[in-house]
Amino acid sequence: SAVISQKPSRDICQRGTSLTIQCQVDSQVTMMFWYRQQPGQSLTLIATANQGSEATYESGFVIDKFPISRPNLTFSTLTVSNMSPEDSSIYLCSVIPDGQETQYFGPGTRLLVL
Amino acid sequence: AQSVTQLGSHVSVSEGALVLLRCNYSSSVPPYLFWYVQYPNQGLQLLLKYTTGATLVKGINGFEAEFKKSETSFHLTKPSAHMSDAAEYFCAVSEGGSYIPTFGRGTSLIVHP
Repeated sequence: SAVISQKPSRDICQRGTSLTIQCQVDSQVTMMFWYRQQPGQSLTLIATANQGSEATYESGFVIDKFPISRPNLTFSTLTVSNMSPEDSSIYLCSVIPDGQETQYFGPGTRLLVL
Repeated sequence: AQSVTQLGSHVSVSEGALVLLRCNYSSSVPPYLFWYVQYPNQGLQLLLKYTTGATLVKGINGFEAEFKKSETSFHLTKPSAHMSDAAEYFCAVSEGGSYIPTFGRGTSLIVHP
C-alpha cells in the first residue's frame, strides 16, 4: 500500500490566481496521477506524472492550465493556473506502487474559486 | 475500451438491512475490478478488488463483491448496513496491464436509523 498526503487540504481562491497543490508519498513510486472530482461527479484523470518523463495529459487538459512537476519518486505538484469558478473541485493525487495493481488515493484538496 | 455503469446514483437502506450496490462493466480483455469508498471530506479508500482467481472477493468493513463474467457484473454487498457505511461508493475497471482504471459515476449510500 501507500500513504499519501496532500497540501493544502482546502483553499478558497480568487479568480485569476493560481494554486499549487503538493502530493507526498511515503514510499518511492513510479506511477503517479492527478484527478479532478467535480461536485457530484466521478473522477476525471487530468494527467499521469511518471518520474523521469514529462507528464501525459488527458484530452481536455493542457499543460499551460495544469502544470505538473515530478522532481523525485515521492513528490509531485499540480498547479491550477488562472483559476475560474469552473475550477472549483476536489483535486486528488493517486499512485500505483511499483509491482502492484492497485491505485491508492490521497485525501484530496478541496478548492473553491470565487 | 473499458467502461463502468453504476446503477442508481443513490441507494437508501435501513440500518441492519442488506446493502446491494450494482456495477456493470465493459472490457475487451479480462478485467481487474475495484470498489472504492469515499467518506465525506476524505479521499478514496480501496474496499476490495478482483484480479484473478476466486470470484467472490471479501473486503474491509464486511463488504464483499462477486465477479460474474457472464453478467459482466461486480455488485457490492454487505449483509447488514451500519450508519457508518453512509458514503459514496465507486466501482472501477482496468484492463490488466494498463492499470489505470475507469471509474463509475458513483453511488451514494444513505443509511436510515
